[in-house]
Amino acid sequence: DVKVTQSSRYLVKRTGEKVFLECVQDMDHENMFWYRQDPGLGLRLIYFSYDVKMKEKGDIPEGYSVSREKKERFSLILESASTNQTSMYLCASREGGQVMPQHFGDGTRLSIL
Amino acid sequence: RKEVEQDPGPFNVPEGATVAFNCTYSNSASQSFFWYRQDCRKEPKLLMSVYSSGNEDGRFTAQLNRASQYISLLIRDSKLSDSATYLCVVNIPHKDTGRRALTFGSGTRLQVQP
Repeated sequence: DVKVTQSSRYLVKRTGEKVFLECVQDMDHENMFWYRQDPGLGLRLIYFSYDVKMKEKGDIPEGYSVSREKKERFSLILESASTNQTSMYLCASREGGQVMPQHFGDGTRLSIL
Repeated sequence: RKEVEQDPGPFNVPEGATVAFNCTYSNSASQSFFWYRQDCRKEPKLLMSVYSSGNEDGRFTAQLNRASQYISLLIRDSKLSDSATYLCVVNIPHKDTGRRALTFGSGTRLQVQP
């Protein structure tokens, strides 16, 4: 079974802090994704990566950056956290081939105070 | 207009009922389609892929209508354990790069009652 692991289940940070959310997958998948999920808005794509050191902006990249130094790890960075970034963050991975489904981690519920 | 639209529900049905959800998508270049299930405070999990010819997995049947750009999910003989939010998911080319990423509908909530 595919295992996607997110480093924290719950996280509380303060406005202005730099926040790192880590995601690791164990299936050698090329593609990795970061989403946020908010009530009434569904899952929205922040960034994705289709290879090491490659990244592409999703639909809502503002205020975020990402890092993919190794194939198995995809990090989401909030450069200066703001209260409107309080959300559930979900990481996903997918093997190559654009018709394949994505597998999700458990999610990180991030609160910015 | 959202790229993937679903009726948020909730759909409240008795055990044993048959229930159907529809989902519409706006991008005709969409290539692959899925239904995911999400339980409260859990991550989305793949329920089934949707194939052009329609496909069935036990009590679940998925269909795709490319001409009208909608997909459907039919659940027969509903169980209490089917209570969840069902997410319609479409593989859409990114507006700037053309690379495809999954786009999720907001989900339809199903509550199966005893």
